[in-house]
Amino acid sequence: EAGVAQSPRYKIIEKRQSVAFWCNPISGHATLYWYQQILGQGPKLLIQFQNNGVVDDSQLPKDRFSAERLKGVDSTLKIQPAKLEDSAVYLCASSPGSSYNEQFFGPGTRLTVL
Amino acid sequence: DQQVKQNSPSLSVQEGRISILNCDYTNSMFDYFLWYKKYPAEGPTFLISISSIKDKNEDGRFTVFLNKSAKHLSLHIVPSQPGDSAVYFCAASAGGNTGKLIFGQGTTLQVKP
Repeated sequence: EAGVAQSPRYKIIEKRQSVAFWCNPISGHATLYWYQQILGQGPKLLIQFQNNGVVDDSQLPKDRFSAERLKGVDSTLKIQPAKLEDSAVYLCASSPGSSYNEQFFGPGTRLTVL
Repeated sequence: DQQVKQNSPSLSVQEGRISILNCDYTNSMFDYFLWYKKYPAEGPTFLISISSIKDKNEDGRFTVFLNKSAKHLSLHIVPSQPGDSAVYFCAASAGGNTGKLIFGQGTTLQVKP
Protein backbone atom coordinates (compact mmCIF):
# COMPACT_ATOMS: atom_id res chain seq x y z
CA GLU A 1 0.00 0.00 0.00
CA ALA A 2 1.46 3.37 -1.00
CA GLY A 3 1.90 5.88 1.79
CA VAL A 4 1.05 9.57 1.97
CA ALA A 5 2.93 11.42 -0.76
CA GLN A 6 4.05 15.03 -0.46
CA SER A 7 5.87 17.34 -2.81
CA PRO A 8 8.14 19.12 -2.98
CA ARG A 9 10.32 17.72 -0.21
CA TYR A 10 12.27 20.97 0.15
CA LYS A 11 11.55 24.55 -0.82
CA ILE A 12 13.51 27.76 -0.33
CA ILE A 13 11.83 31.08 -1.06
CA GLU A 14 12.25 34.76 -0.30
CA LYS A 15 9.86 36.44 2.10
CA ARG A 16 6.75 37.85 0.45
CA GLN A 17 6.86 35.16 -2.23
CA SER A 18 4.15 32.54 -2.63
CA VAL A 19 4.52 28.79 -2.24
CA ALA A 20 2.28 25.76 -2.59
CA PHE A 21 2.55 22.25 -1.20
CA TRP A 22 0.82 19.18 -2.52
CA CYS A 23 -0.40 16.09 -0.68
CA ASN A 24 -1.75 12.81 -2.02
CA PRO A 25 -3.28 10.78 0.82
CA ILE A 26 -3.55 7.03 1.05
CA SER A 27 -6.23 5.77 -1.30
CA GLY A 28 -9.64 5.64 0.33
CA HIS A 29 -8.72 7.79 3.33
CA ALA A 30 -11.52 10.25 4.02
CA THR A 31 -9.72 12.47 6.51
CA LEU A 32 -6.75 14.65 5.61
CA TYR A 33 -4.70 16.86 7.92
CA TRP A 34 -2.11 19.57 7.40
CA TYR A 35 0.31 20.25 10.27
CA GLN A 36 3.04 22.83 10.72
CA GLN A 37 6.11 21.77 12.67
CA ILE A 38 8.50 24.55 13.60
CA LEU A 39 12.00 23.47 14.60
CA GLY A 40 12.09 22.36 18.24
CA GLN A 41 8.31 22.15 18.53
CA GLY A 42 5.70 19.49 18.01
CA PRO A 43 3.37 19.47 15.02
CA LYS A 44 0.50 21.95 15.12
CA LEU A 45 -2.72 21.23 13.27
CA LEU A 46 -3.47 23.83 10.61
CA ILE A 47 -6.53 22.30 8.93
CA GLN A 48 -8.50 19.06 8.88
CA PHE A 49 -10.66 17.90 5.98
CA GLN A 50 -13.32 15.21 6.03
CA ASN A 51 -13.67 14.26 2.36
CA ASN A 52 -13.67 17.71 0.73
CA GLY A 53 -15.24 19.57 3.65
CA VAL A 54 -13.33 21.48 6.32
CA VAL A 55 -13.72 20.08 9.84
CA ASP A 56 -11.32 22.38 11.68
CA ASP A 57 -9.27 25.32 10.43
CA SER A 58 -9.18 27.29 13.67
CA GLN A 59 -5.36 27.48 13.70
CA LEU A 60 -4.92 28.32 10.03
CA PRO A 61 -3.67 31.92 9.53
CA LYS A 62 -6.30 32.70 6.97
CA ASP A 63 -4.83 36.04 5.96
CA ARG A 64 -1.97 34.24 4.26
CA PHE A 65 -2.65 30.50 4.30
CA SER A 66 -5.22 28.67 2.25
CA ALA A 67 -5.93 25.00 1.63
CA GLU A 68 -8.23 23.03 -0.54
CA ARG A 69 -9.08 19.42 -1.12
CA LEU A 70 -10.68 19.05 -4.48
CA LYS A 71 -12.83 15.96 -5.07
CA GLY A 72 -11.97 14.73 -1.59
CA VAL A 73 -8.61 13.30 -2.63
CA ASP A 74 -5.48 15.43 -3.20
CA SER A 75 -4.91 18.59 -1.26
CA THR A 76 -2.84 21.73 -1.66
CA LEU A 77 -1.69 24.16 1.01
CA LYS A 78 -0.69 27.64 -0.11
CA ILE A 79 1.11 30.48 1.63
CA GLN A 80 0.83 33.94 0.11
CA PRO A 81 2.81 35.98 1.00
CA ALA A 82 5.34 34.02 3.05
CA LYS A 83 6.96 35.41 6.19
CA LEU A 84 10.20 34.41 7.88
CA GLU A 85 8.27 32.71 10.69
CA ASP A 86 6.64 30.34 8.20
CA SER A 87 9.90 28.42 7.98
CA ALA A 88 8.91 24.94 9.14
CA VAL A 89 8.17 21.41 8.03
CA TYR A 90 4.66 21.03 6.66
CA LEU A 91 3.26 17.59 7.30
CA CYS A 92 0.28 16.02 5.62
CA ALA A 93 -1.51 13.06 7.21
CA SER A 94 -4.52 10.97 6.32
CA SER A 95 -6.76 8.43 8.01
CA PRO A 96 -9.71 6.31 6.89
CA GLY A 97 -11.93 7.87 9.55
CA SER A 98 -11.11 10.45 12.15
CA SER A 99 -9.38 8.10 14.60
CA TYR A 100 -5.76 9.00 15.34
CA ASN A 101 -4.76 5.39 15.79
CA GLU A 102 -5.14 5.03 12.04
CA GLN A 103 -3.45 8.27 11.06
CA PHE A 104 -0.54 8.06 8.63
CA PHE A 105 1.88 10.91 8.02
CA GLY A 106 3.76 11.84 4.89
CA PRO A 107 7.48 12.72 4.96
CA GLY A 108 6.78 16.46 5.02
CA THR A 109 7.94 19.50 3.06
CA ARG A 110 10.71 21.55 4.61
CA LEU A 111 10.16 25.24 3.85
CA THR A 112 12.86 27.84 4.35
CA VAL A 113 11.88 31.49 4.02
CA LEU A 114 14.83 33.86 3.58
CA ASP B 1 0.46 28.49 26.38
CA GLN B 2 2.13 25.09 26.19
CA GLN B 3 -0.60 22.66 27.22
CA VAL B 4 1.54 19.57 26.60
CA LYS B 5 5.14 19.64 27.74
CA GLN B 6 8.04 17.29 27.31
CA ASN B 7 10.65 18.82 29.55
CA SER B 8 13.52 16.57 28.55
CA PRO B 9 14.79 17.45 25.06
CA SER B 10 16.97 14.36 24.95
CA LEU B 11 17.58 11.02 26.63
CA SER B 12 20.39 8.51 26.19
CA VAL B 13 20.17 4.89 27.38
CA GLN B 14 22.12 1.69 26.91
CA GLU B 15 20.75 -1.06 24.71
CA GLY B 16 18.72 -3.57 26.75
CA ARG B 17 17.90 -1.09 29.52
CA ILE B 18 14.63 0.73 30.11
CA SER B 19 13.84 4.05 28.44
CA ILE B 20 11.37 6.31 30.22
CA LEU B 21 10.01 9.32 28.38
CA ASN B 22 7.88 11.79 30.28
CA CYS B 23 5.10 14.16 29.37
CA ASP B 24 3.10 16.66 31.44
CA TYR B 25 -0.14 18.40 30.54
CA THR B 26 -2.13 21.24 31.98
CA ASN B 27 -5.60 20.90 30.47
CA SER B 28 -7.82 18.70 32.64
CA MET B 29 -10.22 18.28 29.71
CA PHE B 30 -7.75 16.08 27.83
CA ASP B 31 -9.17 12.57 27.70
CA TYR B 32 -7.02 10.80 25.15
CA PHE B 33 -3.26 10.61 24.89
CA LEU B 34 -0.94 9.29 22.20
CA TRP B 35 2.73 8.74 21.59
CA TYR B 36 4.33 9.14 18.17
CA LYS B 37 7.77 8.18 16.98
CA LYS B 38 9.64 10.12 14.30
CA TYR B 39 12.76 9.20 12.38
CA PRO B 40 14.73 11.90 10.51
CA ALA B 41 13.24 12.92 7.15
CA GLU B 42 10.09 10.89 7.85
CA GLY B 43 6.69 11.79 9.21
CA PRO B 44 5.65 10.76 12.73
CA THR B 45 4.30 7.25 13.22
CA PHE B 46 1.59 6.38 15.74
CA LEU B 47 3.04 4.23 18.49
CA ILE B 48 0.59 3.73 21.36
CA SER B 49 -2.35 5.49 22.96
CA ILE B 50 -4.31 5.56 26.20
CA SER B 51 -7.73 6.75 27.20
CA SER B 52 -8.21 8.70 30.41
CA ILE B 53 -10.37 5.90 31.81
CA LYS B 54 -7.25 3.73 32.01
CA ASP B 55 -3.97 4.16 33.82
CA LYS B 56 -1.89 1.76 31.76
CA ASN B 57 -1.74 0.41 28.24
CA GLU B 58 0.79 -2.09 27.01
CA ASP B 59 1.84 -3.11 23.51
CA GLY B 60 4.84 -5.37 23.30
CA ARG B 61 7.91 -3.51 24.52
CA PHE B 62 5.97 -0.26 24.88
CA THR B 63 3.87 0.70 27.90
CA VAL B 64 2.19 4.01 28.54
CA PHE B 65 1.26 5.04 32.08
CA LEU B 66 -1.21 7.79 32.88
CA ASN B 67 -1.40 9.60 36.22
CA LYS B 68 -4.43 11.88 35.95
CA SER B 69 -4.04 13.44 39.36
CA ALA B 70 -0.52 14.55 38.48
CA LYS B 71 -1.45 15.29 34.85
CA HIS B 72 1.50 13.19 33.82
CA LEU B 73 2.09 10.37 31.40
CA SER B 74 5.13 8.34 30.60
CA LEU B 75 6.26 5.93 27.91
CA HIS B 76 8.36 2.96 28.95
CA ILE B 77 10.37 1.01 26.41
CA VAL B 78 11.74 -2.30 27.66
CA PRO B 79 14.17 -3.49 26.52
CA SER B 80 15.48 -0.55 24.51
CA GLN B 81 16.97 -1.29 21.11
CA PRO B 82 19.18 0.85 18.85
CA GLY B 83 16.30 0.99 16.33
CA ASP B 84 14.26 2.84 18.94
CA SER B 85 16.52 5.88 18.51
CA ALA B 86 14.17 8.59 17.28
CA VAL B 87 12.21 11.64 18.38
CA TYR B 88 9.17 10.79 20.51
CA PHE B 89 6.19 13.12 20.70
CA CYS B 90 3.35 12.87 23.16
CA ALA B 91 0.02 14.34 22.15
CA ALA B 92 -3.31 14.92 23.85
CA SER B 93 -6.89 15.43 22.80
CA ALA B 94 -9.95 16.77 24.59
CA GLY B 95 -12.28 15.04 22.16
CA GLY B 96 -11.40 11.39 22.59
CA ASN B 97 -9.64 9.70 19.72
CA THR B 98 -10.99 12.19 17.21
CA GLY B 99 -10.54 15.58 18.83
CA LYS B 100 -7.88 18.15 17.98
CA LEU B 101 -4.41 16.92 18.90
CA ILE B 102 -2.02 19.06 20.89
CA PHE B 103 1.60 17.90 20.63
CA GLY B 104 4.51 18.25 23.01
CA GLN B 105 7.91 19.47 21.82
CA GLY B 106 9.41 16.02 21.50
CA THR B 107 12.21 14.08 23.21
CA THR B 108 15.13 12.69 21.24
CA LEU B 109 15.97 9.18 22.41
CA GLN B 110 19.37 7.69 21.68
CA VAL B 111 19.89 4.01 22.43
CA LYS B 112 23.55 3.10 22.50
CA PRO B 113 24.68 -0.39 21.47
